[in-house]
Amino acid sequence: DAGVIQSPRHEVTEMGQEVTLRCKPISGHDYLFWYRQTMMRGLELLIYFNNNVPIDDSGMPEDRFSAKMPNASFSTLKIQPSEPRDSAVYFCASSPRRGSSYNEQFFGPGTRLTVL
Amino acid sequence: AQSVTQPDIHITVSEGASLELRCNYSYGATPYLFWYVQSPGQGLQLLLKYFSGDTLVQGIKGFEAEFKRSQSSFNLRKPSVHWSDAAEYFCAVLDTGRRALTFGSGTRLQVQP
Repeated sequence: DAGVIQSPRHEVTEMGQEVTLRCKPISGHDYLFWYRQTMMRGLELLIYFNNNVPIDDSGMPEDRFSAKMPNASFSTLKIQPSEPRDSAVYFCASSPRRGSSYNEQFFGPGTRLTVL
Repeated sequence: AQSVTQPDIHITVSEGASLELRCNYSYGATPYLFWYVQSPGQGLQLLLKYFSGDTLVQGIKGFEAEFKRSQSSFNLRKPSVHWSDAAEYFCAVLDTGRRALTFGSGTRLQVQP
């Protein structure tokens, strides 16, 4: 199994630009999560999907952030316009609905975003 | 709301010494608890988990953790630390209703030769 795949691994952009982060969950997993890691706030959940449907987006910081999951194999997190305070590591994770790994979340390697 | 406290921000141990990383949680129901490890520039790898049953759980890389309900703790232990264990360790509790992991602030482990 390839695990959760994220791209790009690193992104450097200028303030005001649009940024799109991508995630491919583990095949067969029904849940997909986006987390953000910063020095100030640690790891925090931004949004999660169940069967491609957004369930809880209460962690999305503001309207500049949006996430989509057009199919079971792909999700995007978009920031438009980006600001320096968005600089962080963004993790995608996925989780199965049933089985021995139920309630476990498998994390991707993360995307390190730097907004200048 | 649930919360996780890792009181030690940074711990240094000598290679071969034993290790205990502390974790205290606050959760209204039976907790689902996890320990993850993050090496520099890497993602989070699951070390072990506790859902129910035996309160002493074994994980990968020789780690174990003990769930103590009376103390609301889930401390991580390893009898003999290797230099490759140097990393940041996160304790987390799952909100089963919201399906979100709440993480502690992490403990950075440094291993001295």
